[in-house]
Amino acid sequence: GQNIDQPTEMTATEGAIVQINCTYQTSGFNGLFWYQQHAGEAPTFLSYNVLDGLEEKGRFSSFLSRSKGYSYLLLKELQMKDSASYLCASPDPPRQLTFGSGTQLTVLP
Amino acid sequence: DAGVTQSPTHLIKTRGQQVTLRCSPISGHKSVSWYQQVLGQGPQFIFQYYEKEERGRGNFPDRFSARQFPNYSSELNVNALLLGDSALYLCASIPSTGASEKLFFGSGTQLSVL
Repeated sequence: GQNIDQPTEMTATEGAIVQINCTYQTSGFNGLFWYQQHAGEAPTFLSYNVLDGLEEKGRFSSFLSRSKGYSYLLLKELQMKDSASYLCASPDPPRQLTFGSGTQLTVLP
Repeated sequence: DAGVTQSPTHLIKTRGQQVTLRCSPISGHKSVSWYQQVLGQGPQFIFQYYEKEERGRGNFPDRFSARQFPNYSSELNVNALLLGDSALYLCASIPSTGASEKLFFGSGTQLSVL
């Protein structure tokens, strides 16, 4: 089994940059996922990291350090529509995705 | 292409009743997983099925059961409902069973137990 920790809430201003951190402890590592979930909707896939380093996809980037058990999601040029819950998750054991409790991001005008 | 479809979208039951939730995966996907999401928490794994066989079970009581049909659709059954079973039940579709496969979630069934 594993433990995944992420902050409960964050607030940022439109146009700013925000970093959402995630720490994990796993018995075996099979990569790390980030999902976005708007209120009342299904989670949608944002990124998957299995190797150390930063992966960039438009305004969103995700970073992984396997030695530190640490990941972050970086959101640039924040927009109001980015207000959502951001879920960090890892398959441990394989085929069973374990999620953190989610970070509720509020973007203010 | 249709995404993952779940029915019903909302359901209200009383304690002790039984409920069946349904899920159709994305065409071509052979694996389905079920998750329970309590308000303010991340989804919790309940079951995974692949080719009609159970491939994983989370830490849920035996009141929870599921099955997968030849067309890869799936049902989740919950017996003897408790107030604590009130949650959003999410179905996820996966092409196969690789650990790195990303999940495609349906919109969920919101179950309220009164």
